[in-house]
Amino acid sequence: RKEVEQDPGPFNVPEGATVAFNCTYSNSASQSFFWYRQDCRKEPKLLMSVYSSGNEDGRFTAQLNRASQYISLLIRDSKLSDSATYLCVVNGLSGSARQLTFGSGTQLTVLP
Amino acid sequence: EAGVVQSPRYKIIEKKQPVAFWCNPISGHNTLYWYRQNLGQGPELLIRYENEEAVDDSQLPKDRFSAERLKGVDSTLKIQPAELGDSAVYLCASSGPGLNAYEQYFGPGTRLTVT
Repeated sequence: RKEVEQDPGPFNVPEGATVAFNCTYSNSASQSFFWYRQDCRKEPKLLMSVYSSGNEDGRFTAQLNRASQYISLLIRDSKLSDSATYLCVVNGLSGSARQLTFGSGTQLTVLP
Repeated sequence: EAGVVQSPRYKIIEKKQPVAFWCNPISGHNTLYWYRQNLGQGPELLIRYENEEAVDDSQLPKDRFSAERLKGVDSTLKIQPAELGDSAVYLCASSGPGLNAYEQYFGPGTRLTVT
């Protein structure tokens, strides 16, 4: 079993749609959680952290369920510029506070 | 502020040849990471440095891969000899101290093709 698992997609949605991505992680001792965004042939960039209470940043909402070891990302009112691969990232799987483990990513294409 | 700088951006070599990648992290970032990213996969950590010390190299294939960060700033990752399966994007990232330690800043990567 992979340490961080994501649905690879692709998700093809029309502009304005709401789309949700899910991610599961294997180690219940994991400490911190993030979503990174990676545009085609570009480097990954931090999109947002994920907190136990859930957090929102504009059109993006991230949630964490520690009991189920499950992380989600919701994008409302999708824009063409949201097209990218979204990487679920977990910190602390190896016991190191600075080590991030990346999922394989979920590809999103927003269609006009 | 300049971001993480990597060179070269692209490299094509024949198998069994050596290759080296260079990274200059963001100024003030003591932690430096080398990742490998295969097509359709997320980045996988190869090695992590805290200043000049390699503190996690458990995923580095030590028979052919080596890395150094002699003065705690720039770093070099080397493969010798390269194999076909080494074709991937090699990403360098850095992070700073304090509360933002978990936010890693990536360079543009070096896309390696081994023929």
